[in-house]
Amino acid sequence: EAQVTQNPRYLITVTGKKLTVTCSQNMNHEYMSWYRQDPGLGLRQIYYSMNVEVTDKGDVPEGYKVSRKEKRNFPLILESPSPNQTSLYFCASMPGTGNYGYTFGSGTRLTVV
Amino acid sequence: ILNVEQSPQSLHVQEGDSTNFTCSFPSSNFYALHWYRWETAKSPEALFVMTLNGDEKKKGRISATLNTKEGYSYLYIKGSQPEDSATYLCAFSRSGNQFYFGTGTSLTVIP
Repeated sequence: EAQVTQNPRYLITVTGKKLTVTCSQNMNHEYMSWYRQDPGLGLRQIYYSMNVEVTDKGDVPEGYKVSRKEKRNFPLILESPSPNQTSLYFCASMPGTGNYGYTFGSGTRLTVV
Repeated sequence: ILNVEQSPQSLHVQEGDSTNFTCSFPSSNFYALHWYRWETAKSPEALFVMTLNGDEKKKGRISATLNTKEGYSYLYIKGSQPEDSATYLCAFSRSGNQFYFGTGTSLTVIP
């Protein structure tokens, strides 16, 4: 089944403790992206990647890192999480930047206390 | 920061009614406009990708139109059914790389 898989689905952590949210897609998509969803705000783009070893900042990149060492994987790294990073996170992919829509992962609900 | 606005914020309709909602975006440097359907406890699913001024797309009872010159897109649902209840999101892009989402229109169809 074609899908984007995120792990974990739920995570509660403490301020300052490094964490990684994994994202993997099995569709050979070139483009991948991370978004966060907060109440009253639309999905906001954190980082995106056009292809392996090519990443760029979205609208809200502060406090996050990403890497794209393989086409299928695009992990989101929070080196020192803070409470304002408590949010619902989505990974998404699409074949390229042409006439395509996103396939979204199931989401990761992160709480930083 | 680029502004994408959706209206109304929420909508309640009776089963069988037709309805429509709006996505407004900047009218300059248009690349693409996406519509997504987001059911509670699920992930957003792509409905339409629109790239040309005047585009009209249709999937079953749902259709969308695009006016890039004035910066708006309409989503129409004909004969609403309870299973159409969801939040409908639009996303605007100037480049195909960065996407800006609206806050969505929450539709509830009352049986």
